[in-house]
Amino acid sequence: AQSVTQLGSHVSVSEGALVLLRCNYSSSVPPYLFWYVQYPNQGLQLLLKYTTGATLVKGINGFEAEFKKSETSFHLTKPSAHMSDAAEYFCAVTSGTYKYIFGTGTRLKVLA
Amino acid sequence: DVKVTQSSRYLVKRTGEKVFLECVQDMDHENMFWYRQDPGLGLRLIYFSYDVKMKEKGDIPEGYSVSREKKERFSLILESASTNQTSMYLCASSSTAPKAFFGQGTRLTVV
Repeated sequence: AQSVTQLGSHVSVSEGALVLLRCNYSSSVPPYLFWYVQYPNQGLQLLLKYTTGATLVKGINGFEAEFKKSETSFHLTKPSAHMSDAAEYFCAVTSGTYKYIFGTGTRLKVLA
Repeated sequence: DVKVTQSSRYLVKRTGEKVFLECVQDMDHENMFWYRQDPGLGLRLIYFSYDVKMKEKGDIPEGYSVSREKKERFSLILESASTNQTSMYLCASSSTAPKAFFGQGTRLTVV
């Protein structure tokens, strides 16, 4: 069985500060990992994904994530937060077939 | 770009009504999904379909059914809506490559 844990349901950062959103996963098979972003009253938009190969993955809007197998982690980072980054972020895992398992989400607030 | 379209952004229905939520994708994807999103619970899988007329229960199928008569369309049916089904419903699709595309969501209120 697969699962995802997102630490921190709410995270606040100052504009220009580092963004770090944490995601740990559990999977008995090699996982595919994703970060999605959701703006208010919108669907989910893919930020980035890890399938195979390079463990540092770059996504849209300056975000990146690193797959660390030994730590079963896939944390999302951005060097400098922007007001437009305020949204809810979801980490997800799949084994590549049909079922995507999502975390409970982290709401990011960016302070001026 | 892939487009996943949900027929309604907002719906208000009465308790006991039969409710249909429609989802259409335009990229010939094999897989389609219905999720329910609630605050603090993230996204929970209701049903998914990997082919026409094929369906599998997800984690919370009770009170719901689905229909997939054509590859591009996946419908979620609430046989008898109840207030505890008030939620945001998200449809998604994917091909054999691991990448799911989401619709804009339908916010359903059952009164």
